[in-house]
Amino acid sequence: DAMVIQNPRYQVTQFGKPVTLSCSQTLNHNVMYWYQQKSSQAPKLLFHYYDKDFNNEADTPDNFQSRRPNTSFCFLDIRSPGLGDAAMYLCATSRQTGGDGYTFGSGTRLTVV
Amino acid sequence: AQSVAQPEDQVNVAEGNPLTVKCTYSVSGNPYLFWYVQYPNRGLQFLLKYITGDNLVKGSYGFEAEFNKSQTSFHLKKPSALVSDSALYFCAVSLDTDKLIFGTGTRLQVFP
Repeated sequence: DAMVIQNPRYQVTQFGKPVTLSCSQTLNHNVMYWYQQKSSQAPKLLFHYYDKDFNNEADTPDNFQSRRPNTSFCFLDIRSPGLGDAAMYLCATSRQTGGDGYTFGSGTRLTVV
Repeated sequence: AQSVAQPEDQVNVAEGNPLTVKCTYSVSGNPYLFWYVQYPNRGLQFLLKYITGDNLVKGSYGFEAEFNKSQTSFHLKKPSALVSDSALYFCAVSLDTDKLIFGTGTRLQVFP
């Protein structure tokens, strides 16, 4: 089945130690998104790629970066994780922005110790 | 600016009873409206969407939603709730070329 896959499901990292979360898709969608979700709150958009065009949300901290080396893969890099960055990180894709709706991966739960 | 509101943090309903999860929206054009469900430690799963056409939209797992333009609402409904419907439900809105904006979520608890 075509899908969005996030690895790993659970990630533990040390305070200040860089960490990378990965997302891959077999849907051939143009757009890939990264969301941060804390404690059953609404997902908060960090940034998205429309093809190779990177779009950062205004309030996304500089500590968060992203890479999309090809259509299928997108990475979330946290350069110096703090305790406040512990959250569920959700990857999503869509053919176009907006009206198509999103297909979500199962998420990566990040713990910072 | 686009926004979506889910006025209830939690909805409790007995199994077999009808359920409603409320959503209202604010956009400056014709909205696209969505419902997603999230089970513990999982990503969001698509339930249904309204783009245009019939105001009553049917989706997965027996859920439906009614688009009401005059009340700017898109409430999620199900005629007979199941215990397995217990989860976190998110309403979302977008315009044609805009990203999805999510509501704060409503936790649905269905009691046996």
